[in-house]
Amino acid sequence: TAGITQAPTSQILAAGRSMTLRCTQDMRHNAMYWYRQDLGLGLRLIHYSNTAGTTGKGEVPDGYSVSRANTDDFPLTLASAVPSQTSVYFCASSDGTDTGELFFGEGSRLTVL
Amino acid sequence: GQNIDQPTEMTATEGAIVQINCTYQTSGFNGLFWYQQHAGEAPTFLSYNVLDGLEEKGRFSSFLSRSKGYSYLLLKELQMKDSASYLCVQRDSNYQLIWGAGTKLIIKP
Repeated sequence: TAGITQAPTSQILAAGRSMTLRCTQDMRHNAMYWYRQDLGLGLRLIHYSNTAGTTGKGEVPDGYSVSRANTDDFPLTLASAVPSQTSVYFCASSDGTDTGELFFGEGSRLTVL
Repeated sequence: GQNIDQPTEMTATEGAIVQINCTYQTSGFNGLFWYQQHAGEAPTFLSYNVLDGLEEKGRFSSFLSRSKGYSYLLLKELQMKDSASYLCVQRDSNYQLIWGAGTKLIIKP
């Protein structure tokens, strides 16, 4: 079972360049999320989507954009990368039950130089 | 996370019991989660509490006291594979998740 697939696994990017992190799920979950994880901090929500066709801003949305054209895909784009965007990025989905368990992709490690 | 307080690191011995504590702000509470995250891997769901009391799931148990804004994760019969970070996560009344920075648990033989 694939679950959630993220690509690339890791990437080194020059500052000022654009980058899209891909996320695909095969669980037919309505809700999807993008988080970043930095040392010493809790996961921080960048953007989310409650259902296909809708997106919303999380805690740290600046410098990032997302789209949700269909249920399965939720790409995250950095239009012009800056060094402070160096982080590990996790895509997640939720099955919408009351428990609200999140299912995570394996993460994408991004280094912006 | 701003509203979640948990120890940064703990050390325990293989076969022993360890309790990882977490405190959170009580206003707008709507559930408490624990996730496990091995180094270099994604978080995985461990437990969910919304009512007071103890939820037991094999070697792992999670406790919640809503009036005290307090939860703990109890790990019994520790195994080396339990070495990981344990993330305490509060869900607020808007169904937003507030993540703690995690407790790194080191298991020694």
